[in-house]
Amino acid sequence: DIQLTQSPSFLSASVGDRVTITCRASQGISSYLAWYQQKPGKAPKLLIYAASTLQSGVPSRFSGSGSGTEFTLTISSLQPEDFATYYCQQLNSYPHTFGGGTKVEIK
Amino acid sequence: QVQLVESGGGVVQPGGSLRLSCAASGFTFSSYGMHWVRQAPGKGLEWVAFIRYDGSNKYYADSVKGRFTISRDNSKNTLYLQMNSLRAEDTAVYYCAKVIYDYGDYDPVDYWGQGTLVTVSS
Repeated sequence: DIQLTQSPSFLSASVGDRVTITCRASQGISSYLAWYQQKPGKAPKLLIYAASTLQSGVPSRFSGSGSGTEFTLTISSLQPEDFATYYCQQLNSYPHTFGGGTKVEIK
Repeated sequence: QVQLVESGGGVVQPGGSLRLSCAASGFTFSSYGMHWVRQAPGKGLEWVAFIRYDGSNKYYADSVKGRFTISRDNSKNTLYLQMNSLRAEDTAVYYCAKVIYDYGDYDPVDYWGQGTLVTVSS
């Protein structure tokens, strides 16, 4: 099975900060990676898929990059509504594993 | 609009069984693969199972293989998860989720249900 390691697991940042989250795969997954945002008590929301394709309706301050084994999610200017937990998921092969999550909190 | 509504959660004793349902509407259910994803209290997301749009292919997480069965009834627009031999570690909110593209097996999910809580406890 493919393992995904997210870093950091916790991040404290201020409104307006540029934030970068990394997801590393235990083996190459081409661009078969998605990013989700989850707020407490809510279902996850798809932000980015195919490593860099922005899901419809997601603000352009979110961007994704990478291929193979290393991927990043970047929020160019953190907004109050962006404080949440972020997960990566690989879609290259089953099981479709998730990373452990990165919680973004207000500094 | 797309709606996914899970039901069937509750409290069950270890070793017991439960069947979850997910009623789908607002899209052509029979054209989309569907997933179950769970989240234990205070923990991260765990992928559980996938079923192809026509039910012809299914995949399971190792943690549930042989105990859980995913199925669907396209005539009723409903997804199921039969859970047997339940363990304390199966305690979680269970979400059903729809794949973004029709007929796809390796695509992300774009819609999720609200989740149903399963608690395995004596």
